Amino acid sequence: AQSVTQLDSQVPVFEEAPVELRCNYSSSVSVYLFWYVQYPNQGLQLLLKYLSGSTLVESINGFEAEFNKSQTSFHLRKPSVHISDTAEYFCAVSDRGNQGGKLIFGQGTELSVKP
Amino acid sequence: GAGVSQTPSNKVTEKGKYVELRCDPISGHTALYWYRQSLGQGPEFLIYFQGTGAADDSGLPNDRFFAVRPEGSVSTLKIQRTERGDSAVYLCASSLDSRGGYEQYFGPGTRLTVT
Repeated sequence: AQSVTQLDSQVPVFEEAPVELRCNYSSSVSVYLFWYVQYPNQGLQLLLKYLSGSTLVESINGFEAEFNKSQTSFHLRKPSVHISDTAEYFCAVSDRGNQGGKLIFGQGTELSVKP
Repeated sequence: GAGVSQTPSNKVTEKGKYVELRCDPISGHTALYWYRQSLGQGPEFLIYFQGTGAADDSGLPNDRFFAVRPEGSVSTLKIQRTERGDSAVYLCASSLDSRGGYEQYFGPGTRLTVT
């Protein structure tokens, strides 16, 4: 069985400050890792994913996440946030094996960027 | 092109009634997933289809829940004898393939309220 823990339910931060949203997972098998974002009144969108190769992955809007196998973590970071980054962020994993692509999500972190 | 659509966007029903929730996936996507998101929680996997067959229904909470995808495109989630605890946002997602690592595209969800 797999589980995902997002350690912070809410993260308030001022505009242009750095931010880190933490994600740890537990799994008995190898996994793929994802961050999804849900902007106010919108559906879930993929932000970035780790499948293989470089453990550091980046999104087009300046977020990055690093896969740390030894710590079973996939924390999301941005060096300088904007008001428009205000959203709910979900970390998720799926099994690399034959279990299909079903996603196991964390409980979400609400990022609130204040001017 | 068109994204994943779900109807209705909102559904209010009385305890004990039967409801159907519809999902139209992105054209050409063979995999279709249903998730349920309760307030303050991350999405929870219910069932996924590869083509017409339900490949994994391990997330369905009990036998009141059933889903079909008879022609490998549109899917319907059916809930019998609804209970107040069924109140949640029901999300549908589709993907080119059910293998892990493929991006899932989410619909806007159906908000179900059982009174």
